[in-house]
Formats: sequence, structure tokens, C-alpha cells
Amino acid sequence: ELKVEQNPLFLSMQEGKNYTIYCNYSTTSDRLYWYRQDPGKSLESLFVLLSNGAVKQEGRLMASLDTKARLSTLHITAAVHDLSATYFCAVDPPGHKYIFGTGTRLKVLA
Amino acid sequence: DAGVTQSPTHLIKTRGQQVTLRCSPKSGHDTVSWYQQALGQGPQFIFQYYEEEERQRGNFPDRFSGHQFPNYSSELNVNALLLGDSALYLCASSPAGAGRYGDTDTQYFGPGTRLTVL
Repeated sequence: ELKVEQNPLFLSMQEGKNYTIYCNYSTTSDRLYWYRQDPGKSLESLFVLLSNGAVKQEGRLMASLDTKARLSTLHITAAVHDLSATYFCAVDPPGHKYIFGTGTRLKVLA
Repeated sequence: DAGVTQSPTHLIKTRGQQVTLRCSPKSGHDTVSWYQQALGQGPQFIFQYYEEEERQRGNFPDRFSGHQFPNYSSELNVNALLLGDSALYLCASSPAGAGRYGDTDTQYFGPGTRLTVL
């Protein structure tokens, strides 16, 4: 069964703190995507990771991919309230279309 | 440059009815995918259209059908609505070959249609 699991499902953190969201997937995938979704809104693309060892950074967010471990991480540095949202990872295995993770609901407290 | 647009924004139907949702892809995109997102869950892939044909399909019953028009816009039809069909329906567009030619290839999602089945 193709599964994409995120950990944790819920995360409440203080402003200024660092934390990491983990995304594990059960099948081979050429690439991994991270999306952000605000309540009642659509999905916004954050990162596309294309190869083993890929690392991308945008502002306070940094994503990495380890295809051998089938693991991606989304690291949050010095969190701010504006980062509060739900974050999804997704994979694109051969012969299938996007499979999304369970989502991580992040709440940054002032 | 208009992004992905969807209509209507919200829709309320009763069990057994039929519904049609519409999507216009981002300019320059010719591939359209549909997703169902139940409350508190991640999006689930329904199907993808390219060159007016269904290219791939997720694990959804035949009550879910679609169409793509020559201008690349698309419709999602759901027949015999069930309470469990209540969800946010997302349309995403991408250029042909997305995911195969570089890290700019990703899907762009529309704002979604919120369907409530009573």
C-alpha cells in the first residue's frame, strides 16, 4: 500500500523556536513536494525536491530529501505567527499521481 | 497571468443529486488533475486529464467522471451524491511532462469548490 505519513500531526510551538516536520513514504518516488494550506484555502507550493540529498530553503523554511531512507524533513527556524498553517508533503511515484501525506497542523504562539 | 480558477466557490446539494464542477487551468498548462479533500485530511487524487482524455485515475467509483475541453478547461461530474462526498474539490493544472523536466514542474492548485451534501 502506498502511504505517506507525516509526524507530528499537530504542532504547537512558541515564536522564535525551531522545529522539524518529518515525512515518510513507503514507495520509490523521484521527487517530493511540500505544500502549505491556510484554513479554508487552497494549496500553495513551497518546495519541489528532485533528488537524493536535495536541500532547498526559503525564508525560515528548509526542506531536505533522503530517497534512500524515504524521508523528507521540513525544518522551521525561528518560527513566526505567519507560519501557522497546515503543511503537506506529497510524492509522485512511477505509475501514480500525487499521494499526499496526512498533513501537519502548525500553530505558532506569540 | 490568471492562475487556476474554479467555479462555483460553494455548492449545497442533497443526496442523490448530480453536480458539475468547473476548472480553468493556468495559462500555458494543458494537464488538469482533480482532488477531493475531506475535512482534516490530505487531498486524494481523483483523476487527471490530458489531451481531452482521462490519463490516470485514483481509487474513486464510476460516479465520479470528468471531461476536458479543447481549451484545456475541465469539468468534474459526480452522480448520485452521498453524504460522504461532502468535501473541498481541488483542481490542479500543470504543463505536459510536469515532474520530468526540472524543479519548476509542479502542480498549481485552484481555490477549490466546497461541496456540501445534505
